[in-house]
Amino acid sequence: NAGVTQTPKFRVLKTGQSMTLLCAQDMNHEYMYWYRQDPGMGLRLIHYSVGEGTTAKGEVPDGYNVSRLKKQNFLLGLESAAPSQTSVYFCASSYSRDRGHEQYFGPGTRLTVT
Amino acid sequence: EDQVTQSPEALRLQEGESSSLNCSYTVSGLRGLFWYRQDPGKGPEFLFTLYSAGEEKEKERLKATLTKKESFLHITAPKPEDSATYLCAVRRYNNNDMRFGAGTRLTVKP
Repeated sequence: NAGVTQTPKFRVLKTGQSMTLLCAQDMNHEYMYWYRQDPGMGLRLIHYSVGEGTTAKGEVPDGYNVSRLKKQNFLLGLESAAPSQTSVYFCASSYSRDRGHEQYFGPGTRLTVT
Repeated sequence: EDQVTQSPEALRLQEGESSSLNCSYTVSGLRGLFWYRQDPGKGPEFLFTLYSAGEEKEKERLKATLTKKESFLHITAPKPEDSATYLCAVRRYNNNDMRFGAGTRLTVKP
């Protein structure tokens, strides 16, 4: 099992450019999440999905969009990148609410917006 | 609003010197409190889930405990390989997201 994988690992964007981050999991988890991690602020939830075809906003959704067309994949899009979106992005997945909800994280994507 | 505060921000221990990390929380209707370990440049790795006050969980040199207002992660006789950032997070009933603390960065010197 690969667990949770993320591509790319690193990316540098110019202000105003767009990009998509891909998350894939092979554990048949129903729930998937996108977080950003900034120094001193911990992990903050951007968007999440409770199943294929569903998405919902988290704590800091502005400037991001997501899609979950397949159960195993969760995409995070930045339509017009801003320097404030410089961060490390983590994807996570978990079973449904009734099965403990422990989240399994990917290795992260380090994004720099100049 | 849900809040999770971890202390101290950083902790330096000598190998074998036991200590505790604190996670205090305010949340209405706690569904679970989670502890994770994060190594530099990697994603968080799940350690424990605690569901109710009085519950304890152990794994090797780590023991997590829970009260109605806080959780402790006790580290007994730590080794250098225990050096990492330890994160706690809380989840409410009828809520699908998790609120994380900023973490405690633990360094264990040989």
